[in-house]
Amino acid sequence: GQSLEQPSEVTAVEGAIVQINCTYQTSGFYGLSWYQQHDGGAPTFLSYNALDGLEETGRFSSFLSRSDSYGYLLLQELQMKDSASYFCAVREGDQAGTALIFGKGTTLSVSS
Amino acid sequence: EAQVTQNPRYLITVTGKKLTVTCSQNMNHEYMSWYRQDPGLGLRQIYYSMNVEVTDKGDVPEGYKVSRKEKRNFPLILESPSPNQTSLYFCASSLSGTPNTGELFFGEGSRLTVL
Repeated sequence: GQSLEQPSEVTAVEGAIVQINCTYQTSGFYGLSWYQQHDGGAPTFLSYNALDGLEETGRFSSFLSRSDSYGYLLLQELQMKDSASYFCAVREGDQAGTALIFGKGTTLSVSS
Repeated sequence: EAQVTQNPRYLITVTGKKLTVTCSQNMNHEYMSWYRQDPGLGLRQIYYSMNVEVTDKGDVPEGYKVSRKEKRNFPLILESPSPNQTSLYFCASSLSGTPNTGELFFGEGSRLTVL
């Protein structure tokens, strides 16, 4: 089965840059996703990396290194509204059926 | 508006009283899934469905049933709820369940308390 490791908590100040790491162990890898969840809300999709390298979407970027079984989410120009939980996730299975497995989440607290 | 709709959003029930949490999506998605979220444990998959009449167990299926008779609906059934099923439940869907599908759309969640 899969396992994903990410830090449980990260703190930062407004305007700073923060990196949330995710390492995974998998028997078959199909890509790494990131989701954001504000307290009490639904998780929302942020990014998906199937190939090595950096994907940039506005203030958020996501990186993947398949050889290192490692990825990260980079958040720049932090704002108070970025305070949330962030989850990395991988697909497990094959073309016949897949399960999306989530890490336990990283709680990001942004202070002024 | 594209969305995943769950009902009820909040429910307090008693041990052993059967309940169903409904989930419906209007995006013609093939893949649907149920998760439960508990403090410190993240999101754990209960069941998923690749398409109509195709369902499979996730990591924590015990005590739950699902059905997928129509593409848009994926109800979660608790035949005999117990207090350890007190949790926040999320339904989610994606265009397909193939391995290279990244984005999952989530419902707003259903907070269930079993006394």
